[in-house]
Amino acid sequence: DAGVIQSPRHEVTEMGQEVTLRCKPISGHDYLFWYRQTMMRGLELLIYFNNNVPIDDSGMPEDRFSAKMPNASFSTLKIQPSEPRDSAVYFCASSRVKGGRDTQYFGPGTRLTVL
Amino acid sequence: DAKTTQPPSMDCAEGRAANLPCNHSTISGNEYVYWYRQIHSQGPQYIIHGLKNNETNEMASLIITEDRKSSTLILPHATLRDTAVYYCIVRVERTSYDKVIFGPGTSLSVIP
Repeated sequence: DAGVIQSPRHEVTEMGQEVTLRCKPISGHDYLFWYRQTMMRGLELLIYFNNNVPIDDSGMPEDRFSAKMPNASFSTLKIQPSEPRDSAVYFCASSRVKGGRDTQYFGPGTRLTVL
Repeated sequence: DAKTTQPPSMDCAEGRAANLPCNHSTISGNEYVYWYRQIHSQGPQYIIHGLKNNETNEMASLIITEDRKSSTLILPHATLRDTAVYYCIVRVERTSYDKVIFGPGTSLSVIP
């Protein structure tokens, strides 16, 4: 398996622009997670999906952030409008809860810089 | 989920065993101990997990004290590629997902 795939790997944009991050989870996994990592705040869970349905979005910082999962093999995280404080590395992860056990597999991340 | 406490940083000589401690004094009986690590510029990577028995896999060993209030991750022969931030997490295993909270972890530096 190719693992979790994220695109783009790097994104540089200007304040006010819309940013869309993409994720393809591992086939057969029914949970998908979006994390954000900064030096100041560490690794934060933004939102997660189960079977394409958002379960907990309490970590989404504000209404500028939105996430969708239209099917089992694709998810997007959108920031509109973007701000410099959104600069971070965004990770997508997937897992499959089987027999009560869950291991998350992380993608390589998207490094976002908002100027 | 219970919270964990880890030292912020540790050094280890290459080829020696790296022993990373974690305190989880408020752990519940049905909570597992998980370890992940994050190598610079990469996503976190699962290492190992356990409930109360010691566990070993190809990457590491996990030693959990009898009272389950602390644990130690052991990398038996540390290499330079083991330099990373190591996260200790406790969480319940069940059929539905329970979100994972990553703390600051321990930054391990393996020194030549």
